[in-house]
Amino acid sequence: AQSVTQPDIHITVSEGASLELRCNYSYGATPYLFWYVQSPGQGLQLLLKYFSGDTLVQGIKGFEAEFKRSQSSFNLRKPSVHWSDAAEYFCAVGVRAGNNRKLIWGLGTSLAVNP
Amino acid sequence: DTGVSQNPRHKITKRGQNVTFRCDPISEHNRLYWYRQTLGQGPEFLTYFQNEAQLEKSRLLSDRFSAERPKGSFSTLEIQRTEQGDSAMYLCASSQTGGDSPLHFGNGTRLTVT
Repeated sequence: AQSVTQPDIHITVSEGASLELRCNYSYGATPYLFWYVQSPGQGLQLLLKYFSGDTLVQGIKGFEAEFKRSQSSFNLRKPSVHWSDAAEYFCAVGVRAGNNRKLIWGLGTSLAVNP
Repeated sequence: DTGVSQNPRHKITKRGQNVTFRCDPISEHNRLYWYRQTLGQGPEFLTYFQNEAQLEKSRLLSDRFSAERPKGSFSTLEIQRTEQGDSAMYLCASSQTGGDSPLHFGNGTRLTVT
C-alpha cells in the first residue's frame, strides 16, 4: 500500500541548532516527493520537491532534503533553525493515478523552536 | 500572480445550515483541488478539476458536498445540511497540468459547525 510516515509527531529544537525531520514512504515506483510547511491558520507552502536527478535538493528558507532510494526516505534538513521556522511540516509523495499524480500525505511533524 | 485566494477565511454555522466556500486559483493553473484538514492531520483529498471538468471525487465526499468550477476559473464548494463532523479547515490548491506540477495552496476556510 502507498503510504507516507513521519515518525516524529513533535520536535523541539533550540534556535541556531540543526534540524532533521524524517519522512519515509512506501511506493513501488519512482516517487515524486515534496515537503510543505504550514504556519498556524495558514495554507501549505511548498518548501522543495524532488522528481529526478540530484538526490540532494535545495529549497526555500534554507531548507534542503535528500532522497535515499535504498532507505525509502526523504528527510528534510536545515543547518541552523530560526524562531520563524516554528510550524507544521508535511511530507507528501506523488503517486501515479491515471494521467495524474495523487498526493499521499504524512500526518505532519510539529516543530517548536526555543529561544 | 496573487496566489490562491479563498473566501471566507472563517465560517461559523449552525448544524443543518448550508455553507458555500469560494476558491480563486492562480490564473494560469488549469487544475484545482479541494482538500479537508482536521487538527493534527494531513490534508485529505476531496475532489479535483481540470478546467471545468470534475475528474475525481473522493469517497469522503458525501452527497451533502458538491463542488463546481463552471467556467474553469474559480470554484465553489457547498456543504448542505452541515454536521458537527464537517468542522475542519477546507483547503483549495491549484496547479498547472502535468503530473510533476506542485500544488499551490490557499490559506483555507476554517469551518466551525455548532
